[in-house]
Amino acid sequence: DIVMTQSPDSLAVSLGERATINCKSSQSVFYSSNNKNYLAWYQQKPGQPPKLLISWAFTRESGVPDRFSGSGSGTDFTLTISSLQAEDLAVYYCQQYVTTPSFGPGTKVHIK
Amino acid sequence: QVQLVQSGSELRKPGASVKIACEASGYTFTDYAINWVRQAPGQGLEWMGWINTNNGNPAYAQGFRGRLVFSLDNSLSTTYLQISSLRAEDTAVYYCARDSERLAAGLFQSWGQGTLVTVSS
Repeated sequence: DIVMTQSPDSLAVSLGERATINCKSSQSVFYSSNNKNYLAWYQQKPGQPPKLLISWAFTRESGVPDRFSGSGSGTDFTLTISSLQAEDLAVYYCQQYVTTPSFGPGTKVHIK
Repeated sequence: QVQLVQSGSELRKPGASVKIACEASGYTFTDYAINWVRQAPGQGLEWMGWINTNNGNPAYAQGFRGRLVFSLDNSLSTTYLQISSLRAEDTAVYYCARDSERLAAGLFQSWGQGTLVTVSS
């Protein structure tokens, strides 16, 4: 099974500043036959279910603000929130789906 | 719009069973797989398995085999999760999540609101 790790565990960012979350997989999630990384990012606000933000490492879901961006390939990925808004307070999870799905432990983003 | 509505909270004693419902609407039910994911209090997300809504075939995550049953009622566009031999560590919020594909890509596009199952004597 692929193990996902994230850093940091928790992140305090001032409003309007950049937030960067890192995700690492124990094996590559890149599938060469279609040139895609099977990596997704989810946002979970308090008391709510997770919400899919980004799939295929960098493709934003419809309606997701463009301040959210994903990057990376292979085993190392990053979620960037370019200008943090108050409504971005949440836990963010990465997830691989190249094999049996597995999630990272989450990164809690709060306002400094 | 796609909507998944789950049944309400449950309280069970250790050793008992529970069955949770997830009703889908806003799309053709048999076109997409349904996954189940759980979240223990204050913890992260754990994938439990998926069911093919076209033929009812389930696939269970390794840590749960033998205690889970996924089932369907296509006439109600509803998926069910049954867990037997409940333990205290099964206390969690259980989510159904619609997949991006019929044969379960493992990408969870829409989620139910969650069902809290509490296991306590």
